[in-house]
Amino acid sequence: GAGVSQTPSNKVTEKGKYVELRCDPISGHTALYWYRQSLGQGPEFLIYFQGTGAADDSGLPNDRFFAVRPEGSVSTLKIQRTERGDSAVYLCASSRSSGPGTGELFFGEGSRLTVL
Amino acid sequence: GNSVTQMEGPVTLSEEAFLTINCTYTATGYPSLFWYVQYPGEGLQLLLKATKADDKGSNKGFEATYRKETTSFHLEKGSVQVSDSAVYFCALIPSQGGSEKLVFGKGMKLTVNP
Repeated sequence: GAGVSQTPSNKVTEKGKYVELRCDPISGHTALYWYRQSLGQGPEFLIYFQGTGAADDSGLPNDRFFAVRPEGSVSTLKIQRTERGDSAVYLCASSRSSGPGTGELFFGEGSRLTVL
Repeated sequence: GNSVTQMEGPVTLSEEAFLTINCTYTATGYPSLFWYVQYPGEGLQLLLKATKADDKGSNKGFEATYRKETTSFHLEKGSVQVSDSAVYFCALIPSQGGSEKLVFGKGMKLTVNP
């Protein structure tokens, strides 16, 4: 499709399990972002890729969270030993470049993660 | 640090009513300011932006002016429609850095009734 695609749209898991969330950005977009949106809050930055490399991972809450983008297109957010506090909507966004302050990110609909 | 504060919702208006959603920010230097909107069942999308003081962003009948003296970027529309029902997020990008690392407010849900 033409937009950012995220799968799964919904994921229910048990505490302690491992989870992968996938993001397929708009074709040709070199920059890719992951955000997390908890209930009643705005999106919070997690990590940003420029090409294959993580240019800024300062928003990852702890070492249970990891993300990859091996070929500079699709990205996977990986969460180990999930906790109930990880329950949130995980948003992926892409943009054409990392130009300073252009601000136009194209967001997917998100993956809603529920940890029981 | 950098932060955005926007008015709490939810808000319900009748069609053709005037809309204001307040947004104030805290940031060092000269951030760029944005309004994003999320329609039901869709991803967040950029509504409008302003990159320097006194700039006015506008789109789809919405306007917001970058006011450095009051650190504000209030969103306004003169006559809302049912199709404007959505969640609205105010956001900024700090002046330093070279990425679209947005800092968002909490969002405000707007419902417009016919």
